[in-house]
Amino acid sequence: EIVLTQSPATLSLSPGERATLSCRASQSVNNYLVWYQQKPGQAPRLLIYDASNRATGIPARFSGSGSGTDFTLTISSLEPEDFAVYYCQQRSSWPPITFGQGTRLEIK
Amino acid sequence: QVLLQESGPGLVKPSETLSLTCTVSGDSINWSSYHWGWIRQPPGKGLDWIGSVYYSGSTYYNPSLKSRDTISVDTSKRQFSLKLSSVTAADTAVYYCVREFPARGVFDFWSQGTLVTVSS
Repeated sequence: EIVLTQSPATLSLSPGERATLSCRASQSVNNYLVWYQQKPGQAPRLLIYDASNRATGIPARFSGSGSGTDFTLTISSLEPEDFAVYYCQQRSSWPPITFGQGTRLEIK
Repeated sequence: QVLLQESGPGLVKPSETLSLTCTVSGDSINWSSYHWGWIRQPPGKGLDWIGSVYYSGSTYYNPSLKSRDTISVDTSKRQFSLKLSSVTAADTAVYYCVREFPARGVFDFWSQGTLVTVSS
């Protein structure tokens, strides 16, 4: 089973700042890495798939990069609605599909 | 717009079977083109993939559930279902049904989620 480790656990930033979230895999997942955003009381929302492809309707301020074992989700300029929990997920070697433990992005 | 709505009891007794059904709607949905799945989230914790079913009926499960789960699809009703047997308190979670698109293992549409509590 591939283990995904996200860092930091919590990131405190202000609106307008740049956010950089990391996801590291225990073995190579090629580029089969997915990012989701989850707000309190809501279902997760697909942001990025296959490391760098934005899902339909996702603003351009969200971007993904990386390959192999190290991946990054970048939010170029934080909007108030971006403060949420972010999860990475691998679809390279499964079953099982696995998720990271999440990064909480909070307002500073 | 694709809508997924799960239905089923919110309370299940220990050792019994949890049963949930997800109904898919949407004017332009082409059922046979998609794959479907279940994901759960224990209160205050992260996401766990339970399994997936393809329109062909092929299924894939998370080995951690030790074969307690069964996922099936009823294309005529645009529904797919989850059964999880021998539940314990550790199975208490919000359960989501999801669509896999544009590739296997990419979950683009999610239901709102339903809390299932395992308790006597």
